[in-house]
Amino acid sequence: ELKVEQNPLFLSMQEGKNYTIYCNYSTTSDRLYWYRQDPGKSLESLFVLLSNGAVKQEGRLMASLDTKARLSTLHITAAVHDLSATYFCAVEHTGTASKLTFGTGTRLQVTL
Amino acid sequence: GAGVSQSPRYKVAKRGQDVALRCDPISGHVSLFWYQQALGQGPEFLTYFQNEAQLDKSGLPSDRFFAERPEGSVSTLKIQRTQQEDSAVYLCASSQPGTFMNTEAFFGQGTRLTVV
Repeated sequence: ELKVEQNPLFLSMQEGKNYTIYCNYSTTSDRLYWYRQDPGKSLESLFVLLSNGAVKQEGRLMASLDTKARLSTLHITAAVHDLSATYFCAVEHTGTASKLTFGTGTRLQVTL
Repeated sequence: GAGVSQSPRYKVAKRGQDVALRCDPISGHVSLFWYQQALGQGPEFLTYFQNEAQLDKSGLPSDRFFAERPEGSVSTLKIQRTQQEDSAVYLCASSQPGTFMNTEAFFGQGTRLTVV
């Protein structure tokens, strides 16, 4: 059974600081996704990571994937208030065309 | 349409009532998924369709839950005799498998079901 663990569950950050969210998963997978969810909203796709060593960056967010360690990280650089949201990693089950197992989410709160 | 559309956005049901939740996937998307997201949790897989075929229903929590996609496009998730533990946001997602790069799932805005 594929299990996905995310930590921390809650993160309070000061504006301008850097931090990293970690996502560990239990079995091999074809790909890993990072999503953002604002309160009462659906999931917004941030990154799709397809292979070992993949690194993608968008603005202040950078995601990486280490398939050997079964670990992905989402690094936040110089946080701003607009980044406050819940972030989920999701791992695709091999050969199932997008069936996902999600982590429990990291609720990020950026304070002034 | 441009994205995955779900209706209704909000549904309040009395315990024991039957409900039906609708999902309109992105036009042409072959795969359709239903997920259940309880408050403060990540989404959990319920069921998966490829066209009209329901290939995986391992996540449905009980036989009160039933999903269909009779013409391979619109899907309905039906919950019979709703219970309070069914209160959650029900998310629908669609994707277009076939090319390696294009299997990303796109999510609708969800239906928030509250059972009272």
